[in-house]
Parts: sequence; structure tokens; C-alpha cells
Amino acid sequence: GAGVSQSPRYKVAKRGQDVALRCDPISGHVSLFWYQQALGQGPEFLTYFQNEAQLDKSGLPSDRFFAERPEGSVSTLKIQRTQQEDSAVYLCASSLYNEREVQETQYFGPGTRLLVL
Amino acid sequence: DQQVKQNSPSLSVQEGRISILNCDYTNSMFDYFLWYKKYPAEGPTFLISISSIKDKNEDGRFTVFLNKSAKHLSLHIVPSQPGDSAVYFCAASEYSGGGADGLTFGKGTHLIIQP
Repeated sequence: GAGVSQSPRYKVAKRGQDVALRCDPISGHVSLFWYQQALGQGPEFLTYFQNEAQLDKSGLPSDRFFAERPEGSVSTLKIQRTQQEDSAVYLCASSLYNEREVQETQYFGPGTRLLVL
Repeated sequence: DQQVKQNSPSLSVQEGRISILNCDYTNSMFDYFLWYKKYPAEGPTFLISISSIKDKNEDGRFTVFLNKSAKHLSLHIVPSQPGDSAVYFCAASEYSGGGADGLTFGKGTHLIIQP
């Protein structure tokens, strides 16, 4: 079946510009995560949704970063007034949720590579 | 302070031999560990996972070993194949119940399989 998809795949922004990155999770996956991966580093957690509820946003680096998932499926990560240090690959992942309190595997999309000039 | 460490940025192994990738962690609350494989311009692909109640999990050519007392895990690939050349990330989570948890990743190890 279809995996996690993200768009755009590449985005070049001028410093100060606002950007919006989209994530389509796997159909039926309740949990959705955003990660930021800087060059040469591992992905770093940004935020987590369960359906439309944003349950954890502890990893968002500043108040310029905002994420939403209004209908519990597609999610958008918005970065306002982009800075050069925002240049990174932004990864989205989704997973099933279950009530057995067992960890579910996170499946990743291809990422959006953001370059801020 | 890095909670998940992969101290080898790269590893070169001959085709057919065993590849061993190592990972150390510092957070004793981590209870679920995963290995992801990543090709250039693609997202990480899930390989194998292990819960803290186990010390070994095997799936085909891939085996993950967990040593909780040493806070160390390793991924064994036997036999190594050219398609295994990729960056491998170790990841961990602390399950807090009531949903899911963000993963903490290491910096990755670039595995190169030589013919």
C-alpha cells in the first residue's frame, strides 16, 4: 500500500519567508510525528499528534514553528520568518495506535529538504 | 548531551562477511529500541526493533542484541550484501503510555559493503 508521502520534496526559501510543508500519513495511522534532520545528524523529534490532538510539541525549536493536523489525517508544518539555521530535511512519520501499551513502529516519508538562503 | 550514541561514523565490510553496528545510550528510561536504514534522498526505513524485556531479536539476516546493564545494543547483518550499503540509525524511546513517543536517534553509521 501507499507509504507516507511529503511535499514538496525540495524547497528553497529566502530568509524571512514563511514556508509550509505537507505530510500525508499512511491511511489509518493515528499517530503522526515530525522530525528535523540537520546535515550529518540523526533526525530530531519536533512534535507528535494523536488524531487531531497535538500531544507533544516539546521539540519545536522556537515559536516560529507551528504544526497542525485539523482533521486527523494530513498534517502541515509551518515555519514563519525562516532563518538560515532552519535549513534541514524535515521528516514526517506515522504509526498505528493501540491500547495495549505496546510501541508501534514509526514509518517515515521521504522528507522535505529545506534550504534557506 | 547525546542520549543515543553511534561512535563509528563509517564501517567498511567485505561482501559475505558479518557487519556489526554498535549503539550506546545513556537514558536508563529507554525501553524500546529500533534500527533504521537510510539511502540518500529517501526517508529512514524500519529494519528491526527490540523491547527492553528481551536481549535478542532476529529477522532473517538481521539480529539485534540488547545489553541493558551496559546500555549497549548492536545490529548484526549476516551475510552482508551490496544492497546493505546505507546509513544505519539507532533509535530509542521511553514509552510513557497513553499514546506514542518521539524517537531519539543517534548520528548514524555509514556502512559500506565492498565486493
